[in-house]
Amino acid sequence: KAGVTQTPRYLIKTRGQQVTLSCSPISGHRSVSWYQQTPGQGLQFLFEYFSETQRNKGNFPGRFSGRQFSNSRSEMNVSTLELGDSALYLCASSLQGSNQETQYFGPGTRLLVL
Amino acid sequence: GENVEQHPSTLSVQEGDSAVIKCTYSDSASNYFPWYKQELGKGPQLIIDIRSNVGEKKDQRIAVTLNKTAKHFSLHITETQPEDSAVYFCAASIGQAGTALIFGKGTTLSVSS
Repeated sequence: KAGVTQTPRYLIKTRGQQVTLSCSPISGHRSVSWYQQTPGQGLQFLFEYFSETQRNKGNFPGRFSGRQFSNSRSEMNVSTLELGDSALYLCASSLQGSNQETQYFGPGTRLLVL
Repeated sequence: GENVEQHPSTLSVQEGDSAVIKCTYSDSASNYFPWYKQELGKGPQLIIDIRSNVGEKKDQRIAVTLNKTAKHFSLHITETQPEDSAVYFCAASIGQAGTALIFGKGTTLSVSS
């Protein structure tokens, strides 16, 4: 079974632009979570989607948003990019989205904001 | 807010030695504790996890222990090998619904042969 895939793998943007990242979960998985990874803050939870609905949200500004499609694929969007948004953005999928369920991470999208 | 503290931040061992990484968490509602291994240029990979109704779990050279009273859990790797060199993260579930995890800052493990 194919793992979690994320596109693109690398991205360079300039301040003020917006960006959309894509995540395809493992086939059959209905829950997708997004995390931001930086050297200073580590791995931080952004939001979780299940059945096209945002179920949980981390402590990030409204510039960070996401959505999930009927096939469970998810996208996250960051508007008005800031230098501090440079990070590795990871998505993880799980089967039913229960809180004791194993999550499988994708390879991430590395975003550089100049 | 919720917090997970992880120690040590770096750990160097000789091949064949054991390695222990410790984490403490603050949210009493946390009931799921996974450990992830991350190699350079890759996403985190689950290596073992433990749920709150279990005190210890073992998978070959890897074991995890959980003390819910002390809000403390640990990763034990025995007979370390050079390929165990990576960054290891502990995590705890946030609350009782959904899949959100709060992660420790990570431990860089170096195994020298």
